[in-house]
Parts: sequence; structure tokens; C-alpha cells
Amino acid sequence: EAGVTQFPSHSVIEKGQTVTLRCDPISGHDNLYWYRRVMGKEIKFLLHFVKESKQDESGMPNNRFLAERTGGTYSTLKVQPAELEDSGVYFCASSQETLSGNTIYFGEGSWLTVV
Amino acid sequence: AQSVTQLDSQVPVFEEAPVELRCNYSSSVSVYLFWYVQYPNQGLQLLLKYLSGSTLVESINGFEAEFNKSQTSFHLRKPSVHISDTAEYFCAVRNILTGGGNKLTFGTGTQLKVEL
Repeated sequence: EAGVTQFPSHSVIEKGQTVTLRCDPISGHDNLYWYRRVMGKEIKFLLHFVKESKQDESGMPNNRFLAERTGGTYSTLKVQPAELEDSGVYFCASSQETLSGNTIYFGEGSWLTVV
Repeated sequence: AQSVTQLDSQVPVFEEAPVELRCNYSSSVSVYLFWYVQYPNQGLQLLLKYLSGSTLVESINGFEAEFNKSQTSFHLRKPSVHISDTAEYFCAVRNILTGGGNKLTFGTGTQLKVEL
């Protein structure tokens, strides 16, 4: 069974450009999460989808970030326009149910460098 | 609100020596506790978790962690490490209440480097 897959694995863009990160969750997982780790800091929650609905987007840093999950399958996270402080690793994760004890499975991350 | 503290950013240790990675948390509500590991060039993997029951939990590769409610700690230990244990280890907590949100709150990570 395929795990959580993310694309691209690495991206280098200039300040002001747009980047779109994609995440394919484990098949059948209704819950999809985005997290981010800025260099040297903790991994921080960005938002949580249940199917196509945003359950919690309290971690989204500002309106330059837009997450979508049309059809409740894969998700995209767009950064527009990108700033230097957006550099970091963006992790996507998924879980089968919304129960707090359920395991959350993470992807390998998308490394974003804004120059 | 919750927070997780991993005081040691790096822990160097010789192979076959014991190791302890420290994790303390702060929360106004009851939480579940997790340790995730990130091996070089790989994603985050769940190492072990405490949900309820016995306060000592074990992983399949010899790690164990003990939940200590009075000290709000969940330290990770292994009696004898191997080179392959070199990785970054993240402690995390999650609100125990159903519907209270499923987001994980992570610590800053501890880089374990096992040397020969």
C-alpha cells in the first residue's frame, strides 16, 4: 500500500514567485494535514482537512498560503507570492479517522527554498 | 494550549551505549504522547505512542518511553544503540478530547548521532 506521497520533493524559487505543493494521502484516509518545519525550529501544524472541508486552519501563517482539497482526495498548498521566511520543509500527513488516538502517517516532505 | 520541550538538540553517543532523549510537555488538558523519528532523507515515522494503560510503551526496534504524569515527561530510552538509530527524534502531544482537534504539537527535535 502506498504511503503519503508529496511532490515536488525539492523546490527552489525566487522571492515573489508562486509554488504549489501537492500531497496524495493514503487511499481511504479522510483526514489530511499540512505541517511545516522552518529550519531549526519545531514542526508546526498548518491545517486539517476532513474530506474536502477545512476542519482547522488555525496554523496557516497568512493569506499568501492557500490550501485546497477538491474532491476530498489529493491536496495542494499554494504559496503566492513566496517570501524568504517561507523556506522550510512542508509535511503532509493523513489518518483514517478523526479519533485522537489514530496514527497520523507523514510523507517525506517537500523542501522549499526561497531565494 | 500545549507545548513540548526537547532540551537536547543533539545527542552524540557511541554504539552499544545507552541513550535517553528527554521530552517534557505542558498542557491544560489530557494528551496523548508520541515519538516520531526521521531517518536521513526519509519522512517522519511513528516510533511509539502512549494512549492509555501501562505507562511504559515499547517500539519494535528496542526503544521505550515512559509516561510520567507528575513530571509531565515522556523520555525516550534505548539500552544499547546501533549505528542505524542515527536520526532526528521528535516528541509530540495531541489533545485527548474527541473533537478537540487532532493536530500534533511537536518539540524542536533531538538529533541522535551514533558513532563507532
